[in-house]
Amino acid sequence: NAGVTQTPKFQVLKTGQSMTLQCAQDMNHEYMSWYRQDPGMGLRLIHYSVGAGITDQGEVPNGYNVSRSTTEDFPLRLLSAAPSQTSVYFCASQGGRALGEQYFGPGTRLTVT
Amino acid sequence: AQSVAQPEDQVNVAEGNPLTVKCTYSVSGNPYLFWYVQYPNRGLQFLLKYITGDNLVKGSYGFEAEFNKSQTSFHLKKPSALVSDSALYFCAVRDRNTGFQKLVFGTGTRLLVSP
Repeated sequence: NAGVTQTPKFQVLKTGQSMTLQCAQDMNHEYMSWYRQDPGMGLRLIHYSVGAGITDQGEVPNGYNVSRSTTEDFPLRLLSAAPSQTSVYFCASQGGRALGEQYFGPGTRLTVT
Repeated sequence: AQSVAQPEDQVNVAEGNPLTVKCTYSVSGNPYLFWYVQYPNRGLQFLLKYITGDNLVKGSYGFEAEFNKSQTSFHLKKPSALVSDSALYFCAVRDRNTGFQKLVFGTGTRLLVSP
């Protein structure tokens, strides 16, 4: 199993540009999440999904959009990039058990200039 | 509201010495507690978790953590540190009565093990 994969690994955007960060998992996990990691702030939840067709907002959803058309894929869209969105983005998945741990992708380092 | 505190930004320890990375938490009910490790330029990897039962939890790579309800702590420990243990460590907590999306992460503690 590849686990959780993310593309691209690095991206530089100009303010106002849009892009999609890709995330896929091959573990048939129901739950998927997007986090951003900023220095001194730990991980903050952007959006999450409890199954195909079901998404909801996390702690810091503004400026981001998600969809979940299949169990495997959970892309994150930046609608109009801003410098405040410069961060490292992690996708994670978790099996349906409430007690389970999350599996993280390798991350995407995004810089918005 | 749930919260977790990792009071040390960095912990320095010599190889072969025991290590402790501290974590305290706050939840309204009973907690689920997790430790994750992040190596440079990698995603977080699960180390161990406390759900219920024995207060001493054993995890990957020789790490263990002790749940202390009275002190609301879940410190990560290892009897003998290795240079390869150098990484960023995150504690996370959620209330048992909340969903997976309510998991709250600490700000992380950088562990530096010197040869």
